[in-house]
Amino acid sequence: GAGVSQSPSNKVTEKGKDVELRCDPISGHTALYWYRQSLGQGLEFLIYFQGNSAPDKSGLPSDRFSAERTGGSVSTLTIQRTQQEDSAVYLCASSLVRGPSSTDTQYFGPGTRLTVL
Amino acid sequence: AQKVTQAQTEISVVEKEDVTLDCVYETRDTTYYLFWYKQPPSGELVFLIRRNSFDEQNEISGRYSWNFQKSTSSFNFTITASQVVDSAVYFCALRRGTNAGKSTFGDGTTLTVKP
Repeated sequence: GAGVSQSPSNKVTEKGKDVELRCDPISGHTALYWYRQSLGQGLEFLIYFQGNSAPDKSGLPSDRFSAERTGGSVSTLTIQRTQQEDSAVYLCASSLVRGPSSTDTQYFGPGTRLTVL
Repeated sequence: AQKVTQAQTEISVVEKEDVTLDCVYETRDTTYYLFWYKQPPSGELVFLIRRNSFDEQNEISGRYSWNFQKSTSSFNFTITASQVVDSAVYFCALRRGTNAGKSTFGDGTTLTVKP
């Protein structure tokens, strides 16, 4: 079946502009995650959505970052007034959560490479 | 606080050699989950294995094997008879048992397998 998809695959923007990154999770997956991977670094957790619960936003680095998930499916990560340090690959993952202590595996999308000039 | 350490930044081997990627973790949780992911040059993370904290059995899948030892808080990954296609960045990750959202990733180990 189809995996997690993300768009755009690449985004180049100027400092100060707003950007929107999109994630389409695997159909039926109730949990959705956003991570950021800077060049040569590991993954940094940003935000987590699970069903109708309030999202866990504890990883968002500043109030310029926000995310929403519409209809329990597609998610958009928005970065306002982008800065050069926001340049990174933004990865989305989804999983099928069957309980509060889920062990379900996260499946990752190909990422969006964001470059802020 | 949780932490995952992959002390080996880069490893280079010649094809057919065995290689072990180290992963050491820190957590105060009694229930937790450990993962390994592969990130090939194409960039997409590929799930390799999940292990929960109550299951210390080692696992073998083809040329891949994993050694989970709670006594040393390690979850090492061995590739036997490495191949060029194994060249990638490998990430070890830790997730709390009571919070399905957050996973803590190591910084990754870049494995290069030369022909």
